[in-house]
Amino acid sequence: AQSVTQPDIHITVSEGASLELRCNYSYGATPYLFWYVQSPGQGLQLLLKYFSGDTLVQGIKGFEAEFKRSQSSFNLRKPSVHWSDAAEYFCAVGATSGTYKYIFGTGTRLKVLA
Amino acid sequence: DAGVIQSPRHEVTEMGQEVTLRCKPISGHNSLFWYRQTMMRGLELLIYFNNNVPIDDSGMPEDRFSAKMPNASFSTLKIQPSEPRDSAVYFCASKDREYQPQHFGDGTRLSIL
Repeated sequence: AQSVTQPDIHITVSEGASLELRCNYSYGATPYLFWYVQSPGQGLQLLLKYFSGDTLVQGIKGFEAEFKRSQSSFNLRKPSVHWSDAAEYFCAVGATSGTYKYIFGTGTRLKVLA
Repeated sequence: DAGVIQSPRHEVTEMGQEVTLRCKPISGHNSLFWYRQTMMRGLELLIYFNNNVPIDDSGMPEDRFSAKMPNASFSTLKIQPSEPRDSAVYFCASKDREYQPQHFGDGTRLSIL
C-alpha cells in the first residue's frame, strides 16, 4: 500500500539558514510526488511536483526537491530560508495509474527565527 | 484563472443542524476531491469525483455525510445531522489531466457547537 512519512513534526531554523524537509514514501512503482505548503488559514499551495525525468525539480519560492529512488525519498530543500517561509509543509504521493487519489504525509511545521 | 472557490469560509452552527459546504472547481478540471483536516487526524480524503461521478467514497466517515456533484462546476458536501466532532477545516480540490496536481481551495472552517 502507498504511504508517506514525514519524520519531522516540527523544525526550527534561523532566517538565512538552509533547510531540508524529509519525505519518505512507499509505493510499488514510480509515483508522482508533490510538495505543498499551507500558511495559517489558507489552503494547500503546490510548491513543486515530480512525475518523471530529471530527479532534481525546481519549484516556486526558491524551493527544490530531489527524487532518490534508491532511498524512496523526496526531500525538500531551500538554500536560504526567509521568515515568510514559516508554514506547514506536506509531502504527497499519487498513483501513476488507476486512481487520482493522493496520500499525504502528516506535515512538517516550520518555524523561522529572526 | 480563478482558483477553486469554496463557500462559506466559516460556518458556526449548533449540533443537529444540517450543514452544506459548497465548491466550485477550476473550469475545465474533471476531478474533484473533498478533504477534512483536523489536528488529530491530519488531512483525510473523504470522497472524490471524476467527470461528476463519485469514484471513491471510502473516506466518508458516516452516513451523516453525503456529497454530490450535479455538474462539472459545482459540488456540495452535506452533513446531516451535524455533531461537534465534525468540527474541522474542509477543503475542496480539483485537477484536470492524470499527470497534473490537485489545486486546493482556501477551505471552510466548520465549528459545530
